[in-house]
Order: sequence, then C-alpha cells, then structure tokens
Amino acid sequence: QSALTQPASVSGSPGQSITISCTGTSSDVGSYNLVSWYQQHPGKAPKLMIYEGSKRPSGVSNRFSGSKSGNTASLTISGLQAEDEADYYCCSYAGSSTRVFGGGTKLTVL
Amino acid sequence: EVQLVESGGGLVKPGGSLRLSCAASGFTFSSYSMNWVRQAPGKGLEWVSSISSSSSYIYYADSVKGRFTISRDNAKNSLYLQMNSLRAEDTAVYYCARGGISGSYDYWGQGTLVTVSS
Repeated sequence: QSALTQPASVSGSPGQSITISCTGTSSDVGSYNLVSWYQQHPGKAPKLMIYEGSKRPSGVSNRFSGSKSGNTASLTISGLQAEDEADYYCCSYAGSSTRVFGGGTKLTVL
Repeated sequence: EVQLVESGGGLVKPGGSLRLSCAASGFTFSSYSMNWVRQAPGKGLEWVSSISSSSSYIYYADSVKGRFTISRDNAKNSLYLQMNSLRAEDTAVYYCARGGISGSYDYWGQGTLVTVSS
C-alpha cells in the first residue's frame, strides 16, 4: 500500500488553470476508474471534489475536472480563485477493498 | 443535513488503548458503509478501516491490522474504532467518513486528535 505520488506544491495566478497529477501503479490508478479527489483547507475536514475519476458531486464548481491516462490521474482547476488555495489529495481503490491516498499537493494562488 | 461528530480522542501512553466514536445524523446510517481516515500532524491522509452497512465486510490498512477494530451500531447511528497497542506513529487526527459512490468519501466529520506519547 504505497502512497500515490503527487507534486508537493503547485501555484497559479487568479484566472489561470492548474493541473495536479497523481501517479500510481497498474495495481491501483491504472486498473480502476475509481480515483477521487479531496480539497482540504487548513484546520478543516477534507471535502470530496471528484469521484470515479471525473465526476463532480452536486454543489462542486464545474471549474474542477478530473481525468486519467494510464497510471496517472489528474485534477484540473480552471479560472483559479483565491478560495481554491488549499491542500488537494487524490485517492484510489487499490484492490482487496483497500484505498490509498496521495501525499497531497499544496495549491497556492499567487 | 448530514453530520458526523467524532469523539474519544486524547493523550494515551504507548501500548495503551482508546475507543473512538462517531455519531451520525441527517441520513439513513444503516444504508451506508463507513470509514476511518487519519492524518498525522502536518502529513497527508491515510485510509485506516472500512465497514459495510451491515457489518458483513470489514477491512483494515496493514498498518493497523491486528491492533484496531472497527464496528458500528446501526440502532444508535454510531461508528466506533477500538485502538489497542497504540504506537507513537498512530498519533493523528482521526476522521470518520461516509462511504459514497464507488468508495469515495462524501461526508467527513471534523476529526478527533489522538496523541500517543509517554
């Protein structure tokens, strides 16, 4: 159960788009379309932003989108806003009913 | 409104035990799988354990297998985590999370801090 690999930090200016990658293996990200993404503001609980790789829960802005290619999933945030500044975590099904998270990415809005 | 409220955290010595609780409201608790996810101070999220709606299926991360026990009481709308043989590396905020579509975690509690230290 090794953690998925995410960049430690990304940054962008308001209005720009950024992409956060999440690299796993053929045993997790590559084998299942079951990646979810979570946003966490400091001192707060995580919030579900994307499930099943690309689907948005009700109430999540359509500025957030997800995709996958091979063993790498990606979260793209378009039209960056100040309130998007947070930590982002990916999570994948890893077989045998287990889950594995990424190490997290700190998004800074410049 | 879905609410998940954890309790039971605190300071415990290495080798000690602690029982966490999660009180659920605002949804039909008995229809959902439930999960525990933890976050060590300044670190990322780590899946700990999952339990199906009727307790028929239970899963643990290798890091806690044999030491932690997840359970639920659907009559009381409550989820539990019994933690034994605690280690310093178990120090974390423990979140209760509802199982959503395809195993995502669609609602989270505010977390309860467990500190394992002598």
